Amino acid sequence: AQSVSQHNHHVILSEAASLELGCNYSYGGTVNLFWYVQYPGQHLQLLLKYFSGDPLVKGIKGFEAEFIKSKFSFNLRKPSVQWSDTAEYFCAVSNNDMRFGAGTRLTVKP
Amino acid sequence: EAEVAQSPRYKITEKSQAVAFWCDPISGHATLYWYRQILGQGPELLVQFQDESVVDDSQLPKDRFSAERLKGVDSTLKIQPAELGDSAMYLCASSQNRNEQYFGPGTRLTVT
Repeated sequence: AQSVSQHNHHVILSEAASLELGCNYSYGGTVNLFWYVQYPGQHLQLLLKYFSGDPLVKGIKGFEAEFIKSKFSFNLRKPSVQWSDTAEYFCAVSNNDMRFGAGTRLTVKP
Repeated sequence: EAEVAQSPRYKITEKSQAVAFWCDPISGHATLYWYRQILGQGPELLVQFQDESVVDDSQLPKDRFSAERLKGVDSTLKIQPAELGDSAMYLCASSQNRNEQYFGPGTRLTVT
């Protein structure tokens, strides 16, 4: 069955620490890949997306993600997190329909 | 900046009652989606419309859930009768090209 796995349920970091959130999927064929973010009390917002081309994609607020086709992965990274990055992060994969991972809650301590 | 509108934002209803949610997508977006998000989980697609036609409703519990988008613009999702397990956030999203989706604020449903 098609699925999206986010390995970390809750990540706690101090400000300025580096971030990497894992995302793996089990789809065959061509996929589009997304990371969405949900800040406390706000709706889901697109952070970045990959359709084709350069597998390293840059998004808003200093986030980037790397698509590694051989590993079926699309990990999210940020070199230095800020307190304002505290949010829930969702990886999503689109083939004919969109499937979301369970989400990773990021808490950044000031 | 254009946004997806949803109402109501919060709804409390008793089990066995009927409840309805409304969504107005971004103008010009042909594709509209309804998702259900249970606390601690990612959104799960319930139904997808392309204009006024249902493209995918395979995950919609059709014995109690229905959705329509009569004029291909705004949409209504209905639950009748509501059950305790329906308590969740119901999200609407729209897209122009079936790829990048824009989400509304959601309707938080509590069934008592």
